Amino acid sequence: GQQLNQSPQSMFIQEGEDVSMNCTSSSIFNTWLWYKQDPGEGPVLLIALYKAGELTSNGRLTAQFGITRKDSFLNISASIPSDVGIYFCAGQRVGATNKLIFGTGTLLAVQP
Amino acid sequence: SAVISQKPSRDICQRGTSLTIQCQVDSQVTMMFWYRQQPGQSLTLIATANQGSEATYESGFVIDKFPISRPNLTFSTLTVSNMSPEDSSIYLCSVRDRSYNEQFFGPGTRLTVL
Repeated sequence: GQQLNQSPQSMFIQEGEDVSMNCTSSSIFNTWLWYKQDPGEGPVLLIALYKAGELTSNGRLTAQFGITRKDSFLNISASIPSDVGIYFCAGQRVGATNKLIFGTGTLLAVQP
Repeated sequence: SAVISQKPSRDICQRGTSLTIQCQVDSQVTMMFWYRQQPGQSLTLIATANQGSEATYESGFVIDKFPISRPNLTFSTLTVSNMSPEDSSIYLCSVRDRSYNEQFFGPGTRLTVL
């Protein structure tokens, strides 16, 4: 099935550093969601975005809905060891009601 | 949000057998979905479970291999039939409701086929 381009594929950082990751598509989306998945668990919703240009925060996490409606960004500030996991973007295309397409994932490792 | 449980949480099965995975939600939801996550990969939608009618399958997935039931607004099952080692994956139940736009996931069922 179709997947979104997500980058970087993996990141290895020191505790306290800021992190940025993004997702891009060739199609226009009307919804962007960001999830985190811990080993052996299902994905947990972090942030949901519904409007082009929207900037939403959840604690140390900030996500933006790109103004072209073809991309989204997730930033994590002052990373901590429990931020370790795989981060997935997911989007809903215009005209594809209720169907989410997932990104390829970003593996984040944080060294204390 | 919704609280989603899945049974079993994991299983090891023999080639050629079938396994039925259950998904229970703590509230009525409009939409229920089944996803597959192969080792080290992202999530792929298998089908949308429709209450009272046949599921809607995505390209590459067929009813004979992945029969789905959804008898009411809080419960669904996915069967993985005639399993082969290639079916070893995490199977995830997911829900969305008209009252909220977000989509939530269950904890997953980790299936290993020998």
